[in-house]
Amino acid sequence: GQNIDQPTEMTATEGAIVQINCTYQTSGFNGLFWYQQHAGEAPTFLSYNVLDGLEEKGRFSSFLSRSKGYSYLLLKELQMKDSASYLCAAMDSNYQLIWGAGTKLIIKP
Amino acid sequence: GAVVSQHPSRVICKSGTSVKIECRSLDFQATTMFWYRQFPKKSLMLMATSNEGSKATYEQGVEKDKFLINHASLTLSTLTVTSAHPEDSSFYICSARAGLSQETQYFGPGTRLLVL
Repeated sequence: GQNIDQPTEMTATEGAIVQINCTYQTSGFNGLFWYQQHAGEAPTFLSYNVLDGLEEKGRFSSFLSRSKGYSYLLLKELQMKDSASYLCAAMDSNYQLIWGAGTKLIIKP
Repeated sequence: GAVVSQHPSRVICKSGTSVKIECRSLDFQATTMFWYRQFPKKSLMLMATSNEGSKATYEQGVEKDKFLINHASLTLSTLTVTSAHPEDSSFYICSARAGLSQETQYFGPGTRLLVL
C-alpha cells in the first residue's frame, strides 16, 4: 500500500534549526511536496523535490533521497510565526498526492 | 504565485439543507481541481478529483450523490453538500493545478461548514 510517515509533533526554540523527516512508500513516484498549514487555514506550498539532493529556499530547505524513500524539511533561524503543521505529500504514478498526517511544530521563545 | 479563491469562507446551515461551495482559480486555467475535507488536527482527506468538462472521480467511501461536484469551466469548480447533516460539519478545501504532470497544487483558503 501507499504510506507516508512523519512525526506527529516537534518542539524547537526560536532562532534554532529543526529538521522534519518524512518517509514514503508509493506506487511510482513523481515528486515530494512540503506544505505549511497554520491552524484553521488551508495549506500553502513550500517546496517540491523530484531529484535527489537539497533544494534551498531562504530559511527553508528540502532534501530528497529517492533510493531511501526519504525527505526532510529543514527550517533555520526559527521564528514564532513558523509554528504550524508541516505536511509531507508524495505524488504517485497517477499524479495523485498521498498525504502524511502532518507534523505539528511548536516554537518556544 | 497562483491564486485560488473559495467562497464562502464560513457557512452555517440547518440540517437537511444544501450548501454550495465555489472554488475559482484566479490567474491560471485549472485543468484539474481537487476537493479535500479536513477534520480538526487531522490530515487532508481527498474527496474527489475533477477535470474540466468530465465527471468527477470520487475516492472510496465518498458518496457522489451527497457531494455533488461540477467543474464547468477551467476556472470554476463547485462542491454541493446535499441534505447536510451535523456529521458533514468540517473544513472543506479545494486545490487546483494547471497541468496533468507534476504541477504544484495551489489551495483555496478553505470553507468551514457547520451544520446545526
